[in-house]
Formats: sequence, C-alpha cells, structure tokens
Amino acid sequence: TQLLEQSPQFLSIQEGENLTVYCNSSSVFSSLQWYRQEPGEGPVLLVTVVTGGEVKKLKRLTFQFGDARKDSSLHITAAQPGDTGLYLCAGSSGTYKYIFGTGTRLKVLA
Amino acid sequence: GAGVSQTPSNKVTEKGKYVELRCDPISGHTALYWYRQSLGQGPEFLIYFQGTGAADDSGLPNDRFFAVRPEGSVSTLKIQRTERGDSAVYLCASSSGTYYTGELFFGEGSRLTVL
Repeated sequence: TQLLEQSPQFLSIQEGENLTVYCNSSSVFSSLQWYRQEPGEGPVLLVTVVTGGEVKKLKRLTFQFGDARKDSSLHITAAQPGDTGLYLCAGSSGTYKYIFGTGTRLKVLA
Repeated sequence: GAGVSQTPSNKVTEKGKYVELRCDPISGHTALYWYRQSLGQGPEFLIYFQGTGAADDSGLPNDRFFAVRPEGSVSTLKIQRTERGDSAVYLCASSSGTYYTGELFFGEGSRLTVL
C-alpha cells in the first residue's frame, strides 16, 4: 500500500516567516502534485513535478521532487495570510490513480 | 457551469438508510474520481473511471459502496445501509484523461452526516 506522510501536520506562523512542508513515502512515484485546499472547497492544483531532483518555483512557493522520487518538499518564502490552507501532496505511480498525503494545515497570522 | 458540480452539498441521513451522491464532471473529461475526506485529513481514494468503466475500485471500503458512470459523464456514488463511520465529505474530481500527470479538478464536495 502506498502511503504519503506529510509533516508537520499543523503549522502556525507569523506573516513574513519562511516555512517548509515535507511529503515522504517509501514508494517511488512517477509524478507528484501539490494542492491547496480552503474550507468548504475542493483542492486546487499548485504544481506537478515528474523528474527526480526537479525544482519548480511559483512566485513565493518552491517545490522540489526528491532525486529518488520518493519525497517532495514545498517551501514558502515570506508567508502571507492568504497562504493559509490545507496543503496536500498527491502521488501517481504512472497511472491515473492519485494517492493523497495526510495533509499539512497552515495558518499564517497577520 | 464550467466546473465540477456535486449534489447534494449536504446530506443528513439516519443509520441504515441508502444514499446517492451525484457528480457532474467538466464536459469532455474522460477520467472521474471519487475520494472521501475526513476533517483535517487528506482525501482517501475510493474509485476512478475512464469513460464508463471503473478502471480502479480498490479504494471502496466494502460492498456497501458502489459507483456508476453509465454514459461516461455523470457519476453516482451509492452507499447502502449507511453507518456512522461513513460520515465524511465525498469529493469528486475529473481530469482530461489524456496523460497521467494531468490536473485533477475537484468539486466542492458532498458532506454526508449519518446520525
């Protein structure tokens, strides 16, 4: 069974601070996605990474796929209250089936 | 509408009752997914369809759960003899199905409460 463990589970920080969220598995994934979900809504895609060691940047967000394609990280620089939400990683082993991680709930205080 | 539509948005039922949850995907999307999400947790995979057929139903927890997509568009998740442990938000997502790295577009979910 493929499992994606995210850490930390909860994170509360002040506006302007930096943070990193981790997504780890013992399984190899062909691709990995990061989503953000706000209360009462479905998850929304932030990024997809497919190559081991790949780094993608989206404004203040930096995503990295581990060399062995078993882990990923999301780094946010100078967090803002608008970054508040549930961050989810999701992995695929080369099929259309995506397994989601356990989630990291981020709260950024103004 | 242009997005994924789920109905009902909220459903309260009694233990033992039968429930149907409906998902209307983005037009033209061949892949359709059902996930279940408990409060503060990540979505748990239930089933996905490619067209009319269930390509992978390995996440359905037991035989009380069944899903159909008869015409390759709208899908219905059916839960028989509901139990309190079935209470959760049921999320539907669709994707173009053209490549496996494609984006999943989610609906807002159907919140099921079993009393």
